[in-house]
Amino acid sequence: AQSVTQLGSHVSVSEGALVLLRCNYSSSVPPYLFWYVQYPNQGLQLLLKYTTGATLVKGINGFEAEFKKSETSFHLTKPSAHMSDAAEYFCAVYGANSKLTFGKGITLSVRP
Amino acid sequence: DTGVSQDPRHKITKRGQNVTFRCDPISEHNRLYWYRQTLGQGPEFLTYFQNEAQLEKSRLLSDRFSAERPKGSFSTLEIQRTEQGDSAMYLCASSPGTGGQETQYFGPGTRLLVL
Repeated sequence: AQSVTQLGSHVSVSEGALVLLRCNYSSSVPPYLFWYVQYPNQGLQLLLKYTTGATLVKGINGFEAEFKKSETSFHLTKPSAHMSDAAEYFCAVYGANSKLTFGKGITLSVRP
Repeated sequence: DTGVSQDPRHKITKRGQNVTFRCDPISEHNRLYWYRQTLGQGPEFLTYFQNEAQLEKSRLLSDRFSAERPKGSFSTLEIQRTEQGDSAMYLCASSPGTGGQETQYFGPGTRLLVL
């Protein structure tokens, strides 16, 4: 079975500061991992994904994530936060039978 | 690519009524998924189709819920005898269906409120 843990429900950073959103996963098979972003009243948009190969994955809008098997982690980072990054972020792991298992999500606030 | 579309975007209904939602996937995507998202939670898998075949159903999908994809294109999700606990965002996603762990592309969702 697969599961995702996103610690904390809310992160607040200043504009220009580092963004770090944590994700830990549990998977019985080699994991395929995703980060999605959700803006208010919208669906989910893919930020980046890890399947195989390079463990540092770059995504859209300057975000990146690093797959660390030993730590079962896939944390999302961005060097410099922008006001437009304020949204809800979901980490997900691909499980059996083509279903995605999502974490509870983290709301990112960016202070001017 | 026009993206995944869902209709309606919002639905308010009274307890006990039936509701139906529609999802149009990205053209030529063979796989179509339904998820439910309640406030403060991540999306939870409900069911998915490979073309017109419904291949997987979550135990969250009670017998009041039914999903169809009759011609392998658009899909409908019907909830009969709605309950207040059905209030949620219902998300549809699609993927090419060529195999493997593909990226799922999500629609904007249908927000249901049951009074």
